[in-house]
Amino acid sequence: DAGITQSPRHKVTETGTPVTLRCHQTENHRYMYWYRQDPGHGLRLIHYSYGVKDTDKGEVSDGYSVSRSKTEDFLLTLESATSSQTSVYFCAISDPVGGPPSGANVLTFGAGSRLTVL
Amino acid sequence: SQELEQSPQSLIVQEGKNLTINCTSSKTLYGLYWYKQKYGEGLIFLMMLQKGGEEKSHEKITAKLDEKKQQSSLHITASQPSHAGIYLCGADINSKLTFGKGITLSVRP
Repeated sequence: DAGITQSPRHKVTETGTPVTLRCHQTENHRYMYWYRQDPGHGLRLIHYSYGVKDTDKGEVSDGYSVSRSKTEDFLLTLESATSSQTSVYFCAISDPVGGPPSGANVLTFGAGSRLTVL
Repeated sequence: SQELEQSPQSLIVQEGKNLTINCTSSKTLYGLYWYKQKYGEGLIFLMMLQKGGEEKSHEKITAKLDEKKQQSSLHITASQPSHAGIYLCGADINSKLTFGKGITLSVRP
């Protein structure tokens, strides 16, 4: 599926440097999400967006910021990367049907961005 | 604390065998999603269950939702190497889509 792309797919950086990951969608979905996946922790929500300039924190938002200036792009920024932020980052999109908690909210995921902070 | 517990953590089965994996929630389940992930790739949506007692099948994979037990099971019949991967369950908890840690399934030819 080319409806959602992440860039870069791989990045190695040094502690203290800023890093920005980009998620781009062509599906015009309202919601966009950033998750990180780590062994022993599974998939954890960092931030999500429910519209242009509308974002909210997830369970592991410390050290991360996001921006959504256009429907199709959702940026995740690590202002000063730390080794604990070494992870695989997944972007996802959705267009929920009905409101929570019983509405349907199927996510489509990107291929992931592997970040290593040395 | 983990709101969605998946069991077992990992599973190795012989090709052709049946298997069942589970996802248990600490909160009321209004909907449950199953995803599959191959190593190094993103998650692929498998099925969504929204009502207690609901059962859905796709090819040789069947998922059920037991609302009273706050649990979902995923059953694979006659497993094949193509079934290998990580299976994750997800649910809307406190208006955020939360995932379990995943179950790694290996299928031996």
